[in-house]
Amino acid sequence: SFELTQDPPASVALGQTVTITCQGDSLRTFYASWFQQKPGQAPVVVIYGRNKRPSGIPDRFSGSSSGNTASLTITGAQAEDGADYYCSSRDSSGDHLLIGGGTKLTVL
Amino acid sequence: QVQLQESGPGLVKPSQTLSLTCTVSGASLNNIGHYWTWIRQHPGKGLEWIGYVYYTGTTYYNPSLKSRLTMSVDTSKNQFSLSLSSVTAADTAVYYCARDRYLGPYYYYMDVWGKGTTVTVSS
Repeated sequence: SFELTQDPPASVALGQTVTITCQGDSLRTFYASWFQQKPGQAPVVVIYGRNKRPSGIPDRFSGSSSGNTASLTITGAQAEDGADYYCSSRDSSGDHLLIGGGTKLTVL
Repeated sequence: QVQLQESGPGLVKPSQTLSLTCTVSGASLNNIGHYWTWIRQHPGKGLEWIGYVYYTGTTYYNPSLKSRLTMSVDTSKNQFSLSLSSVTAADTAVYYCARDRYLGPYYYYMDVWGKGTTVTVSS
């Protein structure tokens, strides 16, 4: 498969929960990872593999996967979570990297 | 602490070749399971995978850029490089280098990124 499809822009009230999804055939085989990008900054990984968080990423970030869909959930969103979020995985061959189109999250 | 730093000209003329280098500190390019990756971001747009190079010199490229791309590694300098030929204004972007790590079957992720370098194609 050649694409990862992400949700359109989303918003969440401060302290509430939001889930962003990413769809693609390759996700049936390969784990997705999720990146947060704020304006003018490089992306930072927030979730990888089977719901793993790098050191320093708050535990309000979690990931899950089912079939061809990977999900990123922010439980108790904070103002600083407003950002663009991208999913990525290898394609079905494993040779190429796929990156979703991104979802812009606004925290109200 | 692993750090990646992009370097290269910020301005390239149309039809010329864009050349960038990523210097890696805190890790060796020779590590098995590390894929040295280039990604770009057009102004106001999403991320686009350009390709990656393995320490053996094996490369995989985005099919849409393949005909214009060359990537290489210099393990003696702990650097990897990108050359993109015949550039146009459509190649104006922020270019990032990153490390894509293999952690197990079907399990990769880009754990370290450079800060990015802006390249403008203009006469």
